Amino acid sequence: DIQMTQSPSSLSASVGDRVTITCRASQGISKYLAWYQQKPGKAPKSLIYAASSLQSGVPSRFSGSGSGTDFALTISSLQPEDFATYYCQQYNTHPLTFGPGTKVDVK
Amino acid sequence: EVQVLESGGDLVQPGGSLRLSCVGSGFNFRTFAISWVRQAPGKGLEWVSAISSDGASTYYADSVKGRFTISRDNSINTLYLRMSSLRAEDTAVYYCATVHFWGQGTVVTVSS
Repeated sequence: DIQMTQSPSSLSASVGDRVTITCRASQGISKYLAWYQQKPGKAPKSLIYAASSLQSGVPSRFSGSGSGTDFALTISSLQPEDFATYYCQQYNTHPLTFGPGTKVDVK
Repeated sequence: EVQVLESGGDLVQPGGSLRLSCVGSGFNFRTFAISWVRQAPGKGLEWVSAISSDGASTYYADSVKGRFTISRDNSINTLYLRMSSLRAEDTAVYYCATVHFWGQGTVVTVSS
């Protein structure tokens, strides 16, 4: 199975900060990587697919990069509604696997 | 507008069975591979099962293999998850999901 790791596991940031979360796959997954945002008590929301393609309706301050084993999600200027937990997921190979999540909270 | 709506979650005793359903609208349901993903209370996301767009291929996490069965009926835009021999550790919110969109989830509680 492909293991997904994320760093950091949590971070504290302020509105306006640039935030980067990294995700690493235990083996190459090409660009079959998605990012999701989840707020407490809510379903996950798709942000990025194919490593760098922005989901329709997602603000352009979100961007994704990477291929192979190393990926990143960047929020260029953190907004109040962005405080949440972020998950990466590989969909290159079954079983599909998620990273453990990165919680972004208020500094 | 894309909508994905799960149903069927309930309180069930250990060893019991349940069938979850997921109805999709606003997109071409029959062209998408779809997964079930679950989230236990206070935990992260766990992929459970997936099915190809035509239903010919199915995939399962080791934790549910032999107990859960995924299926779909593209004529009515519906995905199913048949769950049997349920255990306490199956307690979770179950989501129907693709990389593009997710449902709101349905709650399964396994307890005596």
